Amino acid sequence: AQTVTQSQPEMSVQEAETVTLSCTYDTSESDYYLFWYKQPPSRQMILVIRQEAYKQQNATENRFSVNFQKAAKSFSLKISDSQLGDAAMYFCAYRRANTGTASKLTFGTGTRLQVTL
Amino acid sequence: SQTIHQWPATLVQPVGSPLSLECTVEGTSNPNLYWYRQAAGRGLQLLFYSVGIGQISSEVPQNLSASRPQDRQFILSSKKLLLSDSGFYLCASERGSSYEQYFGPGTRLTVT
Repeated sequence: AQTVTQSQPEMSVQEAETVTLSCTYDTSESDYYLFWYKQPPSRQMILVIRQEAYKQQNATENRFSVNFQKAAKSFSLKISDSQLGDAAMYFCAYRRANTGTASKLTFGTGTRLQVTL
Repeated sequence: SQTIHQWPATLVQPVGSPLSLECTVEGTSNPNLYWYRQAAGRGLQLLFYSVGIGQISSEVPQNLSASRPQDRQFILSSKKLLLSDSGFYLCASERGSSYEQYFGPGTRLTVT
């Protein structure tokens, strides 16, 4: 079974600074997808970024980027120029790649990010 | 893009009462649909998923059931709620080979 581990329960960053959230996962599969989701106080899960395991290039979405190390099974999220609106719970998630069928997201336990002035 | 609706937003129910949570999806057809539950301060746990009308798969045996009467409608039910059913319930929709799951706003259920 796949597992996702987020070892940082809480992180803090000053506005305009950069922060990196860590995530490691365990799987025996070679093809899969990794995601970072943001959960603000409203509790709606918002997709931040996606990474395909077969792609070596790290995904980037505006101020959000990932450092994907497939051999190390590591998938960290870097937030640049942090803004107050970035304060939220961040979840790392894993999904098997199985074309045409449903498959669950396996989530980590989350990292609460605080953004200070 | 997809829009996922859930209702009710908040629900307080006594132990032993029935439950019906509804999820509807706009902006796509034939999505894979998922019900997740999130306990306080925890990650999400998959409860059910569906790949089409009438097709339901259960991840965790428990007091709940799910149905998909229409392509873009997913319902979570219980005949008799338990205290342990309290939590935040999220519906998600997935369409296409991107495997991105988009979530609704959730339902906060408190069983008293």
